[in-house]
Amino acid sequence: QSVLTQPPSASGTSGQRVTISCSGGSSNIGVNHVYWYQQLPGTAPRVLISRNNRRPSGVPDRFSGSKSGTSASLAINGLRSEDEADYYCYTWDDSLSGPLFGGGTKVTVL
Amino acid sequence: QVQLQESGPGLARPSETLSLTCSVFGGSVNSANYYWSWVRQPPGKGLEWVGSVFYSGTSTFNPSLNSRVALSIDTSKNQFSLRLTSVTTADTAVYFCARAVRPDYYYYYMDVWGRGTTVTVSS
Repeated sequence: QSVLTQPPSASGTSGQRVTISCSGGSSNIGVNHVYWYQQLPGTAPRVLISRNNRRPSGVPDRFSGSKSGTSASLAINGLRSEDEADYYCYTWDDSLSGPLFGGGTKVTVL
Repeated sequence: QVQLQESGPGLARPSETLSLTCSVFGGSVNSANYYWSWVRQPPGKGLEWVGSVFYSGTSTFNPSLNSRVALSIDTSKNQFSLRLTSVTTADTAVYFCARAVRPDYYYYYMDVWGRGTTVTVSS
């Protein structure tokens, strides 16, 4: 069971908005940047959002991130079939002195 | 463009030691800008940080692995390696190696990943 809590699944129809939450604590999300990874089936993860809300080059602007207190969120606007994937939040934990991954959320396009 | 490639046996016996190597192409492991990391993913489950090694040889690992992990780096071969001792079926997973970039001095995140290698622990 991960220290960072994500819902196991989320879904929506094409064009809808989907939001994924990531809940942590005062030693991790509360004091450090959050990153989001997308893992398409059978592939390695790739960075989707860095430093809470920044999109690396090549990431569509329908993906956005936010952070408030000890929680963070990833939003997908205008959901598309190619967005079906697993999404993981990631941050540093000061107590662990190491990184943490959330448990992951599987997004399904209905 | 930096690329990473994992190599090692796909099968390990329970109680034995698992050894994996990650070769880095298009970049150097001999850099203070990065940590070199291992992340694993059991079948059907999420990502778990295994450990990370710095170019100096300093390493950190996930405490949940109870000191079974040893990490090393070979700057002459541009490779880094993972050794996991006393493996059990719970260590069956896809093992990814990754470059971890340091936006600040005290933390890092994985920005370039290998494709992963499947390791099965079975007798």
